[in-house]
Amino acid sequence: EAGVAQSPRYKIIEKRQSVAFWCNPISGHATLYWYQQILGQGPKLLIQFQNNGVVDDSQLPKDRFSAERLKGVDSTLKIQPAKLEDSAVYLCASSPRPGQGGSWELFFGEGSRLTVL
Amino acid sequence: GESVGLHLPTLSVQEGDNSIINCAYSNSASDYFIWYKQESGKGPQFIIDIRSNMDKRQGQRVTVLLNKTVKHLSLQIAATQPGDSAVYFCAERITGNKLTFGGGTRVLVKP
Repeated sequence: EAGVAQSPRYKIIEKRQSVAFWCNPISGHATLYWYQQILGQGPKLLIQFQNNGVVDDSQLPKDRFSAERLKGVDSTLKIQPAKLEDSAVYLCASSPRPGQGGSWELFFGEGSRLTVL
Repeated sequence: GESVGLHLPTLSVQEGDNSIINCAYSNSASDYFIWYKQESGKGPQFIIDIRSNMDKRQGQRVTVLLNKTVKHLSLQIAATQPGDSAVYFCAERITGNKLTFGGGTRVLVKP
């Protein structure tokens, strides 16, 4: 079974520039997550989609971050304009269950590492 | 590969010994507690979970213990191998299948 695919793996930009990350979840997974992982810390949830609807974006800095999952499959996360503190690994994960019980495991991609100079 | 964390607590363990990684959680409403393993340059990988109404669960070479009285979670790895070297995160699941991760512990296995 193919895993969660993310691109690009690495991106270096200057502050105030924009960047976009792409995620393709495991086929059939209804729930998609974007996490931000700053070096030395655990992942922090930015946004959670259920199909193409947003379930939770309470920790997404909406003045500069946006995300969409238009057809309920692939998703993009955009940062504009980027700040130095946005340097992190952006992890995408998907889950086969909508949280209604039973197995709910999250499957993570390898992440997109962003460096803002 | 890249390091997933430079300032994490580190547990050094001799190959073949048992490892114990500890975690404190904060939310009494969490219904599942999970351990993830993250190798350098990779995303977190599920190891084992435990439901909140249990106090122990065993997997292959791993055991998770949950003490709800003191809000403590631990992961025991039996006969630690070089491939176990990684950063380990505990996470708690709250409503809506949302995971909150702890700060992580780096495990270094010495040959």
